[in-house]
Amino acid sequence: QLQLQESGPGLVKPSETLSLTCTVSGGSFSSSGYCWVWIRQPPGKGLEWIGKISYSGSTYYNPSLKSRVTISVDTSKNQFSLKLISVTAADTAVYYCARRECNYGGGYFDYWGQGALVTVSS
Amino acid sequence: EIVLTQSPGTLSLSPGERATLSCRASQTVSSSYLAWYQQKPGQAPRLLIYGASSRATGIPDRFSGSGSGTDFTLTISRLEPEDFAVYFCQQYGSSPLTFGGGTKVEIK
Repeated sequence: QLQLQESGPGLVKPSETLSLTCTVSGGSFSSSGYCWVWIRQPPGKGLEWIGKISYSGSTYYNPSLKSRVTISVDTSKNQFSLKLISVTAADTAVYYCARRECNYGGGYFDYWGQGALVTVSS
Repeated sequence: EIVLTQSPGTLSLSPGERATLSCRASQTVSSSYLAWYQQKPGQAPRLLIYGASSRATGIPDRFSGSGSGTDFTLTISRLEPEDFAVYFCQQYGSSPLTFGGGTKVEIK
């Protein structure tokens, strides 16, 4: 059974960089057919897609966050990571990693991590 | 960007009743690339429906999806106690991928 697990600091100061890692276990990380994504959810609010990365490292970001986001992949560790620079309180959210198929018609998310709450506060 | 509007915001029903949830898109969703998720407190969303009407693996057949173009519906034929949760729709026909604001199904 595929499992995803987010890890990283739960508290980040304003203007600093938020960094999270997602570790994938149980199979399929090396498959070229899957892409890996980050999604966030502010407390009590809806979901926002942040961006995706393929196993080969090809990325695509939400235009609303593109100037501040970097997603990278470490295939040797079955991990992919999120960096969000210049954070503000508005970036406080539960951050989820998830899986989708890379093809055009596969943009739904079938496996999710449990989520990591990141609070931006001094 | 396609904006998804879900209605109602809250649905108060009793176990055994039928639930009908709506998701309306600001533009046509290409190829009916519309998914539905269920989220319970403190948990990640769970995929229920993709392609507007295809059930994901392991999802009971009391959950069904329908619609095309700009209007989509999630129906729960008979509510079970474990079905009381928040439901989100998501479109993946156009980038950026977007989600609706959610409908909470609560016990009446």
